[in-house]
Order: sequence, then structure tokens, then C-alpha cells
Amino acid sequence: DAGVIQSPRHEVTEMGQEVTLRCKPISGHNSLFWYRQTMMRGLELLIYFNNNVPIDDSGMPEDRFSAKMPNASFSTLKIQPSEPRDSAVYFCASLLLPGNEQFFGPGTRLTVL
Amino acid sequence: AQSVAQPEDQVNVAEGNPLTVKCTYSVSGNPYLFWYVQYPNRGLQFLLKYITGDNLVKGSYGFEAEFNKSQTSFHLKKPSALVSDSALYFCAVSAYGQNFVFGPGTRLSVLP
Repeated sequence: DAGVIQSPRHEVTEMGQEVTLRCKPISGHNSLFWYRQTMMRGLELLIYFNNNVPIDDSGMPEDRFSAKMPNASFSTLKIQPSEPRDSAVYFCASLLLPGNEQFFGPGTRLTVL
Repeated sequence: AQSVAQPEDQVNVAEGNPLTVKCTYSVSGNPYLFWYVQYPNRGLQFLLKYITGDNLVKGSYGFEAEFNKSQTSFHLKKPSALVSDSALYFCAVSAYGQNFVFGPGTRLSVLP
């Protein structure tokens, strides 16, 4: 298996633009997580899905952020409009519930100018 | 609700010496405990986990961790540190394998 796949790996955009981050979890996994990592705030859980259903989105910072999982093999995290403070590395992770470890993707480094 | 504390932001150890990275947790119910490592510009990599059974868990790259229920701790250890072990280490806890919470991370520096 190729592991968790994220695209793009790097994204540079201007303030106010829409940004879409993509994630393909490991085949057969039934839970998917989106995290954000910054130097100031560390690793933050934004949202997670079980069987494609959002379970907890309390970590989504504000309405500008939205996430979808239309099927078991694809998820998106969208920021509209983007702001400089959204600059961070965004990770996607998947796992097979219950009791197993998460597998992380390589991350998307987002820079909002 | 679960929580994880990693009391040390930074741990420095000389190459060849034993290392310990500390983790304490709080969870309702049976804890599932994990350690991850992150190298620069990489995603987190799984090292080891405790679900049930023997309190001493062995994982990748010679790391091990000891589950201590009375002290609610899950410290990461290695008998002999390598310079290549220098990285950011995260402890994580979940209740019954769901609702994962990660600690703030501990930066390990192994000095040659």
C-alpha cells in the first residue's frame, strides 16, 4: 500500500483565495483525521470522520474551514477565504478502528501570503 | 475527556546513554496509548502502542515504553541513544481506540 496520500505537498496562495487540500486514506481504513501543525500551537486535531461521517469538528477554527469525505477513499479540507494565519502544515491520517494506530500522510505545507 | 502531558519540551542526552521521554495521561476507561516520532519535514511515524497485556511494550528502532496504570504514565525509553534518534516525539491516548488526543511533543536531541 502506498500509505496515506496528500496533495498538494506545497501550496502558496494569496490571502482571500480558496485552498483545497486532498487526502486519500489507506484502503480499508474506516477513520480519517485532519490535523494542523504550527510552531506556536503544535499539533491540533481539526476534524475526524468514522465511516465517512464527521464525528467531531470542534477543532475546526472557524466557518472558513470545511471538510468533506464523500467516500471511503477521498477527503478534502477547504479554506475559503484563506488568511495568513492559516499558514501551517496540514496532515491527514487514517486508521482501522478500533484499537489500531493512525497512519499519517506526508503533509501539505500551506503558505498564505 | 482525555488529555496527555509531556512535561519536558526538550530532552538532551549523549549518544550511547539511555534516554527517557516522559508521558502522563488522563482518560476515562481503558487507555490505548501510542508513541509517534516526527523527523524534520515529515509526517508522524508510529513507534509503538499499548492496548492490553504486558506493561512493557517494544517497538520500532529499539524503543520501548512502560505502561504504569497507578501513575498513569507511559514513558518512552531506549537503552542506548543514537544521534539519528534526534526528532520530535509525541505521546497519544485514546479511549477504547477512539477520540485520539496527542501531547504537545518533546524534542529529543542526542549529542555525539
